[in-house]
Amino acid sequence: SQTIHQWPATLVQPVGSPLSLECTVEGTSNPNLYWYRQAAGRGLQLLFYSVGIGQISSEVPQNLSASRPQDRQFILSSKKLLLSDSGFYLCAWGRKRGANTEAFFGQGTRLTVV
Amino acid sequence: RKEVEQDPGPFNVPEGATVAFNCTYSNSASQSFFWYRQDCRKEPKLLMSVYSSGNEDGRFTAQLNRASQYISLLIRDSKLSDSATYLCVLHNQAGTALIFGKGTTLSVSS
Repeated sequence: SQTIHQWPATLVQPVGSPLSLECTVEGTSNPNLYWYRQAAGRGLQLLFYSVGIGQISSEVPQNLSASRPQDRQFILSSKKLLLSDSGFYLCAWGRKRGANTEAFFGQGTRLTVV
Repeated sequence: RKEVEQDPGPFNVPEGATVAFNCTYSNSASQSFFWYRQDCRKEPKLLMSVYSSGNEDGRFTAQLNRASQYISLLIRDSKLSDSATYLCVLHNQAGTALIFGKGTTLSVSS
C-alpha cells in the first residue's frame, strides 16, 4: 500500500529564516506530487505540482520554491520567510484512476512565522 | 466567478438528519470531481469521487449536474462523527492538479 510522509508536523520560524519541508512517498512510482497551503480560515491553495523528477510547475508567484530530486521526494523551500508564509502546508500524491487523479495527503506541517 | 464555490455554512443538524451540500464550478471543461472531508487541524481525506451517473457509498450520495455545473453531496442519517468540513474538488483545466473549494462545515449534535 502507498504511504506519504511529511515532516515536521509543526514548525515555528523567525521572519527572514530559511525553510525546508520534505515529503516522501512509498509504495508507488512516478506519482504526481503536490504542495498545497491552507491559511487560517481559508481554502487549500495549490502552490506547486510535479509530474516527474526535476519537473516543477508553480501555480502562484511567491517566495517559495519546490524541488523533486528523486522520484518519490518533494521538497518545499524558502530562502527568507515572511509573516504571510504562515499556514498549514500539505504534501499530496496523485493516484490515477481512469480519467481521474485522486489526491492523498500527508499529515501536514503547521508553520508559524514569528 | 470563482473556480469552485461552496456555501461555507455552518450547517447545524441533529443526529439522524439528512443534509445536502451543493457546489458550483466555473470551468465547463472540468471532467473529474470529488468530495473530500477535513477534520479540524487535520489533512483532507478523500470521501468519494463523483461520477456522471451519480454514485452512492453507504449513507453518502454524490451527484453531478453538468448542464448547471454543480455537484452535490447528500448525507443520510447523520452521525456525530460526520461533523467536519466537506470540500468540493475538481481537476484543473490541464488535468494535472486538484482545485479545492473552501469547504462547507457540518456540525452534528445529539
